Amino acid sequence: QKEVEQDPGPLSVPEGAIVSLNCTYSNSAFQYFMWYRQYSRKGPELLMYTYSSGNKEDGRFTAQVDKSSKYISLFIRDSQPSDSATYLCAMSGGNYGQNFVFGPGTRLSVLP
Amino acid sequence: DGGITQSPKYLFRKEGQNVTLSCEQNLNHDAMYWYRQDPGQGLRLIYYSQIVNDFQKGDIAEGYSVSREKKESFPLTVTSAQKNPTAFYLCASSMGGAGYEQYFGPGTRLTVT
Repeated sequence: QKEVEQDPGPLSVPEGAIVSLNCTYSNSAFQYFMWYRQYSRKGPELLMYTYSSGNKEDGRFTAQVDKSSKYISLFIRDSQPSDSATYLCAMSGGNYGQNFVFGPGTRLSVLP
Repeated sequence: DGGITQSPKYLFRKEGQNVTLSCEQNLNHDAMYWYRQDPGQGLRLIYYSQIVNDFQKGDIAEGYSVSREKKESFPLTVTSAQKNPTAFYLCASSMGGAGYEQYFGPGTRLTVT
């Protein structure tokens, strides 16, 4: 079983739709959870950061963490074509020498 | 303006040649990382460094080498021993430790023919 699993997509939605992106993980020691957005041929940029379980909202983006289920989500409301990118989840904590694990990413296309 | 710079953006080399990719940060971060990304794939960790003059192998270190002589700089050398060097290379930095997020540079696209 991989440490972090994420549906690779591609996921295509119409403009204005609510998008739900998800990751599952196996290591219960993870405490810090992040979402990155990566445009084609660019470096990933940090989108959301949450600690432990709960929700965090920032504009059209909401990050949700359910540690009991080892499941994290990113919701995008009123999706725009500019949201078309690959979304990577990441997490850290526990006895990892490099302290960080990334999911493989989900490719999202928002169609005008 | 704080951030991470990688140069060059595109790099072309002939097979059998070593090549060094530059990564510089002015964020005063202790930890730095090198990742490789292949088309449609996630990030794979090559090397990381938590502190100056110390670094550890990641998941795919074979054929690569690094140095960390200064806090700001973490160059990556892709040697001729790397069997499939053509890829997108990303450098990142963080404060270090489990709770700190990583910040990425713009990446270097290396093509070896």
